[in-house]
Amino acid sequence: AQSVTQPDIHITVSEGASLELRCNYSYGATPYLFWYVQSPGQGLQLLLKYFSGDTLVQGIKGFEAEFKRSQSSFNLRKPSVHWSDAAEYFCANSGAGSYQLTFGKGTKLSVIP
Amino acid sequence: SQTIHQWPATLVQPVGSPLSLECTVEGTSNPNLYWYRQAAGRGLQLLFYSVGIGQISSEVPQNLSASRPQDRQFILSSKKLLLSDSGFYLCAWSVLGSGSNEQFFGPGTRLTVL
Repeated sequence: AQSVTQPDIHITVSEGASLELRCNYSYGATPYLFWYVQSPGQGLQLLLKYFSGDTLVQGIKGFEAEFKRSQSSFNLRKPSVHWSDAAEYFCANSGAGSYQLTFGKGTKLSVIP
Repeated sequence: SQTIHQWPATLVQPVGSPLSLECTVEGTSNPNLYWYRQAAGRGLQLLFYSVGIGQISSEVPQNLSASRPQDRQFILSSKKLLLSDSGFYLCAWSVLGSGSNEQFFGPGTRLTVL
């Protein structure tokens, strides 16, 4: 069965600092990978996705993620965090032909001014 | 462009009362539709998904049910709410046959059962 692990439940960074949120997936073939962001009381917004090709993908709001097959990882990065980035971040994957997304439990990001 | 609507945005209901949450999608045809629940401090739990009118798949046994009376309408219901039904309910859609299952989420409904 597919699984997605986000090992960090809560991360706090200072505004302007760099950010890396970890995500590990479990899937035999090449997965489809996603990062979503959720602000309090809101729905999920897609930040970026990886299907194939270049393993470094760019997303909205200055985020990027790198697919590393050898490590089964798809970590999310941002070089300089803004206070408005405070939210919960979810990593998800899907297998080819699947109707479902498998979500990690999320990482809550707090930003210190 | 495609948009997804959910209503109501917030709902407070007594235990044992019925429930009806509605989700509609605009700007696309034949979408896959999904209902998720997000309980406090927990991730997203897939409740139901539908690949067409009248076709509903249930992922977890519970006192909730779903229906898809029209192509772009997805309804979540309960005959008698439990305290444990409290949570944030999210509807999502994806392109039928897309392969990747990239999903787009609605704004959610906050349900509190007292």
